[in-house]
Amino acid sequence: DIQMTQSPSSLSASVGDRVTITCQASQDINNYLNWYQQKPGKAPKLLIYDASNLETGVPSRFTGSGSGTDFTFTISSLQPEDFATYYCQQYDNFLITFGQGTRLEIK
Amino acid sequence: QLQLQESGPGLVKPSETLSLTCTVSGNSISSSSFYWGWIRQPPGKGLEWIGSIYYGGSTYYNPSLKSRVTISIDTSKNRFSLKLNSMTAADTAVYYCSRRRVRGITDYWGQGTLVTVSS
Repeated sequence: DIQMTQSPSSLSASVGDRVTITCQASQDINNYLNWYQQKPGKAPKLLIYDASNLETGVPSRFTGSGSGTDFTFTISSLQPEDFATYYCQQYDNFLITFGQGTRLEIK
Repeated sequence: QLQLQESGPGLVKPSETLSLTCTVSGNSISSSSFYWGWIRQPPGKGLEWIGSIYYGGSTYYNPSLKSRVTISIDTSKNRFSLKLNSMTAADTAVYYCSRRRVRGITDYWGQGTLVTVSS
């Protein structure tokens, strides 16, 4: 099974900051890597798919990059509504694994 | 607008079987473009994929749960279901039903339903 290592597990930042989260797969997953945002008490929301494609309606301050085993998710300028938990997710041969999550908190 | 709604008991006794149903509205569950599935989240913890089903009936399960899980689909009622047997306290979680596109891209989620395992 493919394991996903997401870091950091938590992060404190201020409005306007640029933040980066990384996700590493235990083996090559091509670009089959998606990013989600989850707010307390709510279902996750798809932000980025196939490593770097912005889902329709998602603000352009969210970006993703990477391929193979190493992936990066960036918020270019944090907004108050961005404080949430973020998850990476990989897909390989019909099986799905999530990263452990990164809790983004207000500094 | 696509909507998914989970239904089922909020409390299950240890060793019993959990049965949840997800009713889909706004999109045919028979579409060849999508898979339907279940994801869970224990309180205060991360997301765990349970499994997926295609409209034709093909199923895909998390290897760690495969021996206890059955996902089925009822295209006539536009809904799909989850059965998880031999429930323990470790199965206490919010259970989400979801729709996914190819490559695991999960674009719609239900609101989630909390299932507690307790006697």
